[in-house]
Amino acid sequence: QVQLQESGPGLVKPSETLSLTCTVSGGSISGHYWSWIRQSPGKGLEWIGYIFDSETTKYNPSLKSRVTTSVDTTKNQFSLKLSSVTAADTAVYYCARVDADCNSASCYQIFHYWGQGTLVTVSS
Amino acid sequence: DIQLTQSPSFLSASVGDRVTITCRASQGISSYLAWYQQKPGKAPNLLIYGASTLQSGVPSRFSGSGSGTEFTLTISSLQPEDFATYYCQQVINYPFTFGPGTNVDIK
Repeated sequence: QVQLQESGPGLVKPSETLSLTCTVSGGSISGHYWSWIRQSPGKGLEWIGYIFDSETTKYNPSLKSRVTTSVDTTKNQFSLKLSSVTAADTAVYYCARVDADCNSASCYQIFHYWGQGTLVTVSS
Repeated sequence: DIQLTQSPSFLSASVGDRVTITCRASQGISSYLAWYQQKPGKAPNLLIYGASTLQSGVPSRFSGSGSGTEFTLTISSLQPEDFATYYCQQVINYPFTFGPGTNVDIK
């Protein structure tokens, strides 16, 4: 059974960089799309972006200028960095694996496996 | 970005009730819609994808329908463990977006 676990500081100062890691167990990190999603009371669920095998990334345009993701296959982990944070970045951050269910007509991306989430507060 | 709206925002129901939640997209998304259930302090749990395909392990009382811009999630007979918040998500265009949620509470 695939399990994901987020880790990182729960408190980040304004203007600094938020850094989170997602550790994957029960399966290899290679060959899969890995995504970050956040949830705040003000903005609900927000897709941040995904990374595939360190080469392919896609980010939400609203965050693209501040987001960096990476994959460490030796540790079976992937990471998120969000720079120049403000109070608006306070949220529960989730990591997730994105699978695909494809047939001849369609290919659906499926957010099946999620981490439990980690609360990050931006405050001085 | 594709905007998703859900109705109602809040729903009060009893065990055994049939419950229907609607999700509307700001533009056509074919069948590229998923539904999630979220309980307090937990991550969203995938219920349905492709608008109507039940995720493995999800009880058959959950069903989804729709295509284009209007979709529904139906719970045929509400159970105590179904009291939660439900979200729709579109996965046809980047950025993927979620609806604002429907809170299903106990009457």
